[in-house]
Parts: sequence; structure tokens; C-alpha cells
Amino acid sequence: SQTIHQWPATLVQPVGSPLSLECTVEGTSNPNLYWYRQAAGRGLQLLFYSVGIGQISSEVPQNLSASRPQDRQFILSSKKLLLSDSGFYLCAWNSRQQETMSYTFGSGTRLTVV
Amino acid sequence: QKEVEQDPGPLSVPEGAIVSLNCTYSNSAFQYFMWYRQYSRKGPELLMYTYSSGNKEDGRFTAQVDKSSKYISLFIRDSQPSDSATYLCAMSAAYFGSGTKLNVKP
Repeated sequence: SQTIHQWPATLVQPVGSPLSLECTVEGTSNPNLYWYRQAAGRGLQLLFYSVGIGQISSEVPQNLSASRPQDRQFILSSKKLLLSDSGFYLCAWNSRQQETMSYTFGSGTRLTVV
Repeated sequence: QKEVEQDPGPLSVPEGAIVSLNCTYSNSAFQYFMWYRQYSRKGPELLMYTYSSGNKEDGRFTAQVDKSSKYISLFIRDSQPSDSATYLCAMSAAYFGSGTKLNVKP
């Protein structure tokens, strides 16, 4: 069965520090991968998506970047965190072969920038 | 106008009540309609999806799509305290509603 792993679960980082969040998917090949941010009381904001290794599309220009070094690995990074980067970050995947287009989410990383 | 609008609630109901959650959308090209449930501090989990118009039932849950009105609904029958969560509608990767927080009181 397919599983998605996301870590760490919580993170407290000072302003100006770097960030690296990792997401891996098991049990599938060639997944579409997504990074979302969810601010308190708000919906999911799509940040990046990837349809293959090295292929990254950015939905919202900001202080973050994403990379996909392997087929089932998706990394969210920042060189210098801002206070406004605080939020709940979610990784998700879906299969290009499925008709449903439904997305499977990881358990999320709660980032607090102080 | 936002692409997807969803009443944020919170919605508080007694156990056993029928709950109606709704979303409106503006893009008539949307074909897939999904409902997710998100418990506090967890990732969303898919509840149901429908393609195009019509109804779909799964146990106590019914999803309804009215493409002519650009309106989708999720009905929960015999609501339980364990249904207390935030419910998000979605039409594609980039279009999620902001979520409705539901509280089912025992």
C-alpha cells in the first residue's frame, strides 16, 4: 500500500535561519507531489507541485523553494525564514494514472518562526 | 470573487443531527469534487469524491454536486462526536475551500 511520510512533525526556528522539510512516498512510482501551507483558520494554499524528478512548478512567489531529487522525495526549503513563514506545511501526492485526482496528505509539519 | 467559497463556521450540532456542509465555486470547468476531513493538527483525509453532477452515498455521508448552480454539498446523517473536525471541499490541487469547522455535541 502507498504511504506518505513527512517530517519533522513540529519545528521552531529563529527568523533568518534555513529550513528543510522532507516528504517521501512509498508504494508508488511517478507520483505527482505537492507542498501546501495552511495558515491558522485558513484553507490550503498550494505552494509547489512536481510531476517528475527535477520538475518544479511554483504557484505562489515567496521565500520558499522546492526540489525533487528523487522520484518519491520532495523537499521544501528556505535560505532565510521570515515570521510570515509560520504555518502548517503539508505534503501530498496523487497518481497520474488515477481518474479521481484525489490527493493523499502527509501528517504535516507545524512550523513556528520566532 | 474567490474560486471556491466555503462557510468557515463553526457549526455546532447535537449528536444525531443531520449536517449540511456546502461550497460554491466559480469555474465551470471543474469536473472533480472532493470532500476532505481534517482533525486538529492532522493532515486532511479524503472522505468522498464525485465526478460531474449527481449524488454519491457512502454510509452516513452523501456528496451532492449541482453544476448548474456551481454548488456542492456534503450531508452527514446521524452525526457523531467523532465527526467533529474541519471539512474542506476541493476541486483540484490549487482550489481548496477554507474549511468548515464542525462540532458535534454528545
